[in-house]
Parts: sequence; C-alpha cells; structure tokens
Amino acid sequence: EADIYQTPRYLVIGTGKKITLECSQTMGHDKMYWYQQDPGMELHLIHYSYGVNSTEKGDLSSESTVSRIRTEHFPLTLESARPSHTSQYLCASSEDKPSPYEQYFGPGTRLTVT
Amino acid sequence: KNQVEQSPQSLIILEGKNCTLQCNYTVSPFSNLRWYKQDTGRGPVSLTIMTFSENTKSNGRYTATLDADTKQSSLHITASQLSDSASYICVVSDRGSTLGRLYFGRGTQLTVWP
Repeated sequence: EADIYQTPRYLVIGTGKKITLECSQTMGHDKMYWYQQDPGMELHLIHYSYGVNSTEKGDLSSESTVSRIRTEHFPLTLESARPSHTSQYLCASSEDKPSPYEQYFGPGTRLTVT
Repeated sequence: KNQVEQSPQSLIILEGKNCTLQCNYTVSPFSNLRWYKQDTGRGPVSLTIMTFSENTKSNGRYTATLDADTKQSSLHITASQLSDSASYICVVSDRGSTLGRLYFGRGTQLTVWP
C-alpha cells in the first residue's frame, strides 16, 4: 500500500465554514494531484503540482485552492464551504518520470456540507 | 473529445466464477491504459498498466488485454473471490501534454456473492 495519507477521512461541516483537507506522502514524489469524485462518476482532476511552489488548476473548475510549500504536503482549502462542495476528494502522487508513471492514491476525504 | 466508456455499469457474479469487464476509449494520442481497483470508501489501487506495444498483462487473477487498433481493453477476473467486490476503473493517458493527462471511466461496480 502506498504511503500517502489524507485527513480527515470524513468531514461534516456547515455552510460558510473554512476547511482544509490535508494530504501528505512520504515517497518523495514531486508530482501531486487532487481529484474530486461523486458517487458512480469518474474522477475529475481539480489541482496538480509539479513540485514545491508549483500549483496548477485541473480540468474541473473548483473554488478550492491549494499550496505546495513542502514536497510531502499538498493541502486543499475551501474558504467558504457550500452544499455543492459535497463530494469525495482524493489526493494522489507520482514520480517525476516519463509516462507511464505509477500514480498512488490516498484513501480520500468524504466531505459533506450541510 | 477524449472519453473512456466502461461496460457493464454493474455486475453481480457468484464466488468462484470468472468475469470480463470492458473499456472503450477515444483518447488520442494514446500513451497507456491502466486498470484500477477501488474499494468502497478507499482510493484507487493500480492493477495493470499497458503501453501501446503491449496487448496483455496479468497481475495474479487479473488479466488485462489491449487492442490499440480498435481502442478497446478488457479486464478478466478468474476464480472470483468475495474480496474482488469493488469498482474497477479504466484509465487512459495521453501523450499530448507534459502532464500525461489521465482520463477516467466511471467504473464497473462488481459484486461477488457467496
């Protein structure tokens, strides 16, 4: 099993609250990713990073923001949570090498905004 | 438009039986195709990765095939076990970008009954 961790695993929070989803990996990977997944639907890339101080938006527009101050840490923040943000958020990482590169996923955070 | 379509959407089989899951894609230019297993409430775990030149790859009781000409892949599971109950996701990577973008299918939900 990959050494990539996400906390919290489950979060129920009220509308308007600020939240930060944590993601950490101990594999020394430069590339990290955040995906959003609704039940029965495909994963959508919302943010990615090539390394420290590098962040880019993914295919799916998201009101969340990310930061990459340390190689091992890639937190995702929602400044003001809304019910439309209810979803599962998956963090992943991979080595910086040509495709095909293995992408390792964390266990996910299931977010519910009431 | 780059897409990945999987069938069936869901499948129920008895323990010990074999099954085959299908994946059709339109991703171009093609780089590689992966099959992931995602247990409920967990992140996806890689089963196989195949490049253009590979047409079959096995991982224990899982055997994936790839026909790059028809843009089809299948995942065959032999002698199913209760622990095989999960969502199986087909993922195709392109080589048209530095990121090596991954395109995800919606998955086939497999249930193995005793």
